[in-house]
Amino acid sequence: QSVLTQPPSVSGAPGQRVTISCTGSSSNIGAGYDVHWYQQLPGTAPKLLIYGNSNRPSGVPDRFSGSKSGTSASLAITGLQAEDEADYYCQSYDSSLSGSKVVFGGGTKLTVL
Amino acid sequence: EVQLVESGGGLVQPGRSLRLSCAASGFTFDDYAMHWVRQAPGKGLEWVSGISWNSGSIGYADSVKGRFTISRDNAKNSLYLQMNSLRAEDTALYYCAKASYDILTELGYWGQGTLVTVSS
Repeated sequence: QSVLTQPPSVSGAPGQRVTISCTGSSSNIGAGYDVHWYQQLPGTAPKLLIYGNSNRPSGVPDRFSGSKSGTSASLAITGLQAEDEADYYCQSYDSSLSGSKVVFGGGTKLTVL
Repeated sequence: EVQLVESGGGLVQPGRSLRLSCAASGFTFDDYAMHWVRQAPGKGLEWVSGISWNSGSIGYADSVKGRFTISRDNAKNSLYLQMNSLRAEDTALYYCAKASYDILTELGYWGQGTLVTVSS
């Protein structure tokens, strides 16, 4: 059971827009910690896609965008392309009585129809 | 160019130990926090441990606390993970990752991983 909750799968046709949610709690996203997103193409290492809730590293297309509100965050992908088919993970930081730690969502598999 | 190269993985029996290494290059190693993240076969990402630039701040996932020890040698540009009392559920691909700054920041670069298989 992941600390951050993501839908297991989403799908969309080429050209469409999809969103992936990431739901946390008051000890992580709701506490003000940033949310980051990673893309993992099949058989490869994860790659940073969005950092600091809504910032794109150099080289990431502006089709990818992130947002955060309250205890949740979202990743939006517009103009869906076949090459976007991958697993997507959100990540934040959690601080509670049991200690502080980096936390990931369970991951969302994006299928381009 | 940032490069992170993990090594030390392999097949190990339950209860035994293994030490993973991560050789870093292409950046000033002692300026950045570092992490270990693992991925069991067919599963999602799981943070294992993180260490600040000067080893002053260290954290572990509950699943490995008391069994795993993270360390770094800034003179050798290297990150380590000492894994003791290994269990079958520790079987995974272990990634070394570089934080963008301190231990709270995003993981901007990842290695290709080293596979650890715990089995009798």
